[in-house]
Amino acid sequence: NAGVTQTPKFRVLKTGQSMTLLCAQDMNHEYMYWYRQDPGMGLRLIHYSVGEGTTAKGEVPDGYNVSRLKKQNFLLGLESAAPSQTSVYFCASSLIQGVQPQHFGDGTRLSIL
Amino acid sequence: AQSVAQPEDQVNVAEGNPLTVKCTYSVSGNPYLFWYVQYPNRGLQFLLKYITGDNLVKGSYGFEAEFNKSQTSFHLKKPSALVSDSALYFCAVRDMTKGGYSTLTFGKGTMLLVSP
Repeated sequence: NAGVTQTPKFRVLKTGQSMTLLCAQDMNHEYMYWYRQDPGMGLRLIHYSVGEGTTAKGEVPDGYNVSRLKKQNFLLGLESAAPSQTSVYFCASSLIQGVQPQHFGDGTRLSIL
Repeated sequence: AQSVAQPEDQVNVAEGNPLTVKCTYSVSGNPYLFWYVQYPNRGLQFLLKYITGDNLVKGSYGFEAEFNKSQTSFHLKKPSALVSDSALYFCAVRDMTKGGYSTLTFGKGTMLLVSP
């Protein structure tokens, strides 16, 4: 049972380039989340999804887009990467919002030069 | 919005000694509180949660947390620390979006270092 899988694990981009981070979960969870982790700032919610075909903005959505075309996948896109988006990105999923714990992937380390 | 605060960036403890990692919360209504642990180069792992009921919650790896409503605290504890407990610990609280959905708001994290 893989749980939550994130690809790629590492990536270096140049300013202005675009890329997509993929999150896949095999637990049939309805809810999925994208966070970014920066030193001294904890985890901040970028976007989330409450089911297939739905997405919503979190605390820090600017510069990011997401899609949830299939229940098991949640994609995070950077259309024009900026150095301020250098971070570690985590995807999570949960069965029930707010009560059941979120399950996290191992992260994508993204550096933007 | 709901929030949690972790007042210590780092906690140092010797192996075998009891450990406490502090968390205070600010919520409207009844709080749903969580503790997660993060090992190097890994995602967060769930340790325990408080929803309702007994104020002392037991979780994974021998950890427990005490919910204190009067002090608005939810401190993480372990009677005897292990070197392998060294990690980054996050307190989190359930928050509600404008659309009525639940999300988690995390504290900034506390690094626990257990020395041999």
